[in-house]
Amino acid sequence: DAKTTQPPSMDCAEGRAANLPCNHSTISGNEYVYWYRQIHSQGPQYIIHGLKNNETNEMASLIITEDRKSSTLILPHATLRDTAVYYCIVRENFNKFYFGSGTKLNVKP
Amino acid sequence: KAGVTQTPRYLIKTRGQQVTLSCSPISGHRSVSWYQQTPGQGLQFLFEYFSETQRNKGNFPGRFSGRQFSNSRSEMNVSTLELGDSALYLCASSPRPITTNEKLFFGSGTQLSVL
Repeated sequence: DAKTTQPPSMDCAEGRAANLPCNHSTISGNEYVYWYRQIHSQGPQYIIHGLKNNETNEMASLIITEDRKSSTLILPHATLRDTAVYYCIVRENFNKFYFGSGTKLNVKP
Repeated sequence: KAGVTQTPRYLIKTRGQQVTLSCSPISGHRSVSWYQQTPGQGLQFLFEYFSETQRNKGNFPGRFSGRQFSNSRSEMNVSTLELGDSALYLCASSPRPITTNEKLFFGSGTQLSVL
């Protein structure tokens, strides 16, 4: 099973880039890496996903290493509203998500 | 377009009772999956329904069951409630069955407290 390891918490100054790392050393070739975030008392919100190439959308960028064993989510200009728990996820199989414990990102003024 | 709607938002029950939670997916989405979230265990997959059929099930006892209607709305039932069933129950929808390249859209959840 491909599972993920993330730091339990990180701090970031408002306006600066937030770089959230994720280790997924047992990922298999056809498993995508997904990032979701969860603000307190709400459901997880999709951010971005990728297979092997770097990806960018209006919310964030995803950098996946060449060996695919780790990735980094980049929030280019963090705001206070980005304070949340960020989950790095790989598919356990074709039908299930495995959510780890995530990283609590604290954006400070 | 309306998002995923879960009702009720909060629920308080006592041990031994049963409970039914409801999830209305985004219009046009035919897959609904359910998750249990607790501080100790994190977010765990319960089951997925697509076109009224259960496609996959996680490692939960038979007290946890679900169904999906022809309009894609889904219900989850928990019978003989235990204290450990206290959790945030989330549902998520997607247009197609969950595959490796499918985004999920989550509702805000139902917070169940068992006393």
